[in-house]
Amino acid sequence: DAGVTQSPTHLIKTRGQQVTLRCSPISGHKSVSWYQQVLGQGPQFIFQYYEKEERGRGNFPDRFSARQFPNYSSELNVNALLLGDSALYLCASSSGLAGGPGETQYFGPGTRLLVL
Amino acid sequence: AQTVTQSQPEMSVQEAETVTLSCTYDTSENNYYLFWYKQPPSRQMILVIRQEAYKQQNATENRFSVNFQKAAKSFSLKISDSQLGDTAMYFCASKGYSGAGSYQLTFGKGTKLSVIP
Repeated sequence: DAGVTQSPTHLIKTRGQQVTLRCSPISGHKSVSWYQQVLGQGPQFIFQYYEKEERGRGNFPDRFSARQFPNYSSELNVNALLLGDSALYLCASSSGLAGGPGETQYFGPGTRLLVL
Repeated sequence: AQTVTQSQPEMSVQEAETVTLSCTYDTSENNYYLFWYKQPPSRQMILVIRQEAYKQQNATENRFSVNFQKAAKSFSLKISDSQLGDTAMYFCASKGYSGAGSYQLTFGKGTKLSVIP
């Protein structure tokens, strides 16, 4: 079975631009979470979606938004890019209802975003 | 709010030896899980082992085991018979409630482990 897939793998943007990152969860998984991993740090939670509804949001500005589609794939959008948005963006999926405490999250390979 | 602290930025171990990575956490929740994830240079985050907080027995997965000290809020990872493929960043994480019925992972800053031939 295919794991979590993300596209694109790498992206270069300039300050002020907008970017859309895409994620396809493991087949049968209904919950998708997004994380930002700045170089040298652990991942930080951005969003969680379940059944197309936002179920959790981390401490990120409104420039960050996301959505989930009927097939459970998800997009992360970042507007008005700043240099500090340069990071690896990870998507994770889990199978259960809104990703309960015991649900394991399976990660994709990430999208490396560089903002110049 | 949850916090996870990994105090060892880098460690190294000889092949076939044993190494222990440290992690401490803080949470106000009663129902939580703890995880160790591995991120090799190829960057795909892989689950190594997980521990249910209400279980006193330490989790084991082949060469990987944890020492879970609930009162001390400590969750260390022991890797036995280290192999070259164990070279990676290791992240400790806790999972707690983030609202609207969902749970989020909170990660430490990671420990870079190098296995030396």
